[in-house]
Amino acid sequence: GAVVSQHPSWVICKSGTSVKIECRSLDFQATTMFWYRQFPKQSLMLMATSNEGSKATYEQGVEKDKFLINHASLTLSTLTVTSAHPEDSSFYICSARDELAGGTQYFGPGTRLTVL
Amino acid sequence: AQSVTQLDSQVPVFEEAPVELRCNYSSSVSVYLFWYVQYPNQGLQLLLKYLSGSTLVKGINGFEAEFNKSQTSFHLRKPSVHISDTAEYFCAVSEDQAGTALIFGKGTTLSVSS
Repeated sequence: GAVVSQHPSWVICKSGTSVKIECRSLDFQATTMFWYRQFPKQSLMLMATSNEGSKATYEQGVEKDKFLINHASLTLSTLTVTSAHPEDSSFYICSARDELAGGTQYFGPGTRLTVL
Repeated sequence: AQSVTQLDSQVPVFEEAPVELRCNYSSSVSVYLFWYVQYPNQGLQLLLKYLSGSTLVKGINGFEAEFNKSQTSFHLRKPSVHISDTAEYFCAVSEDQAGTALIFGKGTTLSVSS
C-alpha cells in the first residue's frame, strides 16, 4: 500500500521554542493531508486539514497561530508548533489522501513531541 | 454529531482464542465505518471498512466485522488470534465513503499472550 512518512519520529525541545514536523507521501501525490493529535490512551483528534497551495482548515478549538501548517507541494505538509509549552507534548500523526485510491487516507507513523 | 464508543479499553486474550472488540456509533446521517490497527511506533493501517451492501465485512489478517444498524454497532472479530495481533485497534466513523473526516473511538488495546 501507499506509504506516508513523518520526520522526526520523536523530538524533545525546551519550552518556548518552535518545532517543525514533516509529513511526506512517498509514492503518491496528495492534495489533501490531515494532522491529528493523540493523547495517551485517547483517540486521534483531527487538528486541521492541509490543502496543497491554500490555507489549512482548522478544527474548532485549535489555535491556528500556534499550529502552523504549510502544504507547499503535493507530497509534503509541515506542522510547526510555535512557542511550545509542556501541554503541547503529545503524539502527532499525519495522513495523506490518495485521490487515485478513492480518497483513501494513509497514515504516517507519528511524531512524539516532548516539551520540557 | 457523530461519535464512536469503544466499550473496552483493554482486551487480554490467549493465543488461538477468539476475540471480539466492540464498537458502537451514533450518527444522524448515513455512516461509513472503519477499523484501523496501530502497531507500536507505527501509523494506522486500515483493517476493513463498511460502505454498503453485505453487513459482514472481511478484512486483512483474518479479521471481520458486522454492521448492525438497529444496534448501531460495528464489532470486530477474529476466530483465532496470534501473538502478532497485539496492537491498538481503533473504530472510526465518517460521513463519506473515503473516510475523509474520520471520528475515532478511544481505541482498544488487544494483548495476546501464549
